[in-house]
Amino acid sequence: DIQMTQSPSSLSGSVGDRVTITCRASQYISTYLNWYQQKPGKAPKLLIFAASSLQSGVPSRFSGSGSGTDFTLTISSLQPEDFATYYCQQSYSTPWTFGQGTKVEVK
Amino acid sequence: EVQLVESGGGLVQPGGSLRLSCAASGFTVSDNYMNWVRQAPGKGLEWVSVFYSGGATVYADSVKGRFTISRDNSKNTVYLQMSDLRAEDTAVYYCARDPLPGSYHAFDLWGQGTMVTVSS
Repeated sequence: DIQMTQSPSSLSGSVGDRVTITCRASQYISTYLNWYQQKPGKAPKLLIFAASSLQSGVPSRFSGSGSGTDFTLTISSLQPEDFATYYCQQSYSTPWTFGQGTKVEVK
Repeated sequence: EVQLVESGGGLVQPGGSLRLSCAASGFTVSDNYMNWVRQAPGKGLEWVSVFYSGGATVYADSVKGRFTISRDNSKNTVYLQMSDLRAEDTAVYYCARDPLPGSYHAFDLWGQGTMVTVSS
């Protein structure tokens, strides 16, 4: 199975901050990497697919990059509604696997 | 409205069985890959199973041989039959859509989730 490792596990930020979350795959996954946002008590929401493609309706302050084994999710200017947990997911081969999550908290 | 609605969760004893349902509206399940993903309390996301549009199925090792995913096209519904349930199966179970084509197997639509608690 492909292991996904996110860092950091949590971070504190202020409104307006630039935030970067990294995700590393245990083996090559090309650009089969997706990012989700989850708020407490809610289902995850797709933000980015294919490493860098913005899902319809997602604000442009979210962006993704990377290929191979190393990927990043960037929030260019943190907004109050962005405080949540973020997960990466590889979709290169089954079993699809998720990172452990990165919780973005208010500083 | 395009949505997924799960049902069927509840409290079950270890070794027991439960069937979850995922009713889709606004789209056709047989045109998509339909997945189940679970989340144990306070933990991360774990993919459980997929039902491919062509009818093939794949399972996570943790549930293989105990869970069965199926689809009823006439009801536009996907099911997860769970048997020999264990305490570690306690989780919120989400149904999620992987749209085709070119989706890169990302899950673009999720249900609200249904809670399964395995306890005596």
